[in-house]
Amino acid sequence: KAGVTQTPRYLIKTRGQQVTLSCSPISGHRSVSWYQQTPGQGLQFLFEYFSETQRNKGNFPGRFSGRQFSNSRSEMNVSTLELGDSALYLCASSLDGTTEGNYFGPGTRLLVL
Amino acid sequence: AQSVTQPDIHITVSEGASLELRCNYSYGATPYLFWYVQSPGQGLQLLLKYFSGDTLVQGIKGFEAEFKRSQSSFNLRKPSVHWSDAAEYFCAVGHPRYSSASKIIFGSGTRLSIRP
Repeated sequence: KAGVTQTPRYLIKTRGQQVTLSCSPISGHRSVSWYQQTPGQGLQFLFEYFSETQRNKGNFPGRFSGRQFSNSRSEMNVSTLELGDSALYLCASSLDGTTEGNYFGPGTRLLVL
Repeated sequence: AQSVTQPDIHITVSEGASLELRCNYSYGATPYLFWYVQSPGQGLQLLLKYFSGDTLVQGIKGFEAEFKRSQSSFNLRKPSVHWSDAAEYFCAVGHPRYSSASKIIFGSGTRLSIRP
């Protein structure tokens, strides 16, 4: 069974631009979560989608948004990029939550210049 | 407040030596407990998890962890490390009844280096 895939793997943007990241979960998984990982803040929860509905959202500004499609693929969007948005963005999928643990993708490394 | 503490930021052990990575948590109830490993440039891989039952949990890659309720700890161990174990290790806790990624709290991580 294929794992979680994320595209693109690396991205360079400039301040003020917007970016869209994509995540394809493991086949059959309906829950997709997004995390931001930075050296200073560690792993921080962004949002979780389940069956196309946002189930929870972390403490991030409205510039961060996401969605999930009927095939469970998910995208997250960051508008008006700031230097501090430079991070590794990780996507994780699970069957219906996290009781059995999330399966993480390799991440998208975003650099904002 | 709920929290996870990994007191060791960086640990270096010799190849073939035993390893113990510490994890302490503060939680209102006995949480679900996880250990993840992250190799450079990669995402997180689940090593093992504890929900209930036997307090000694076996995971992948020869790792095990022991849940000690009295110490609020969930330390990760390996009897003999290999150079390929060099990575960052994260302990995490999750809510025992509310199944949601938003309820998972990650520790700050311990970076493991292996001395040849």
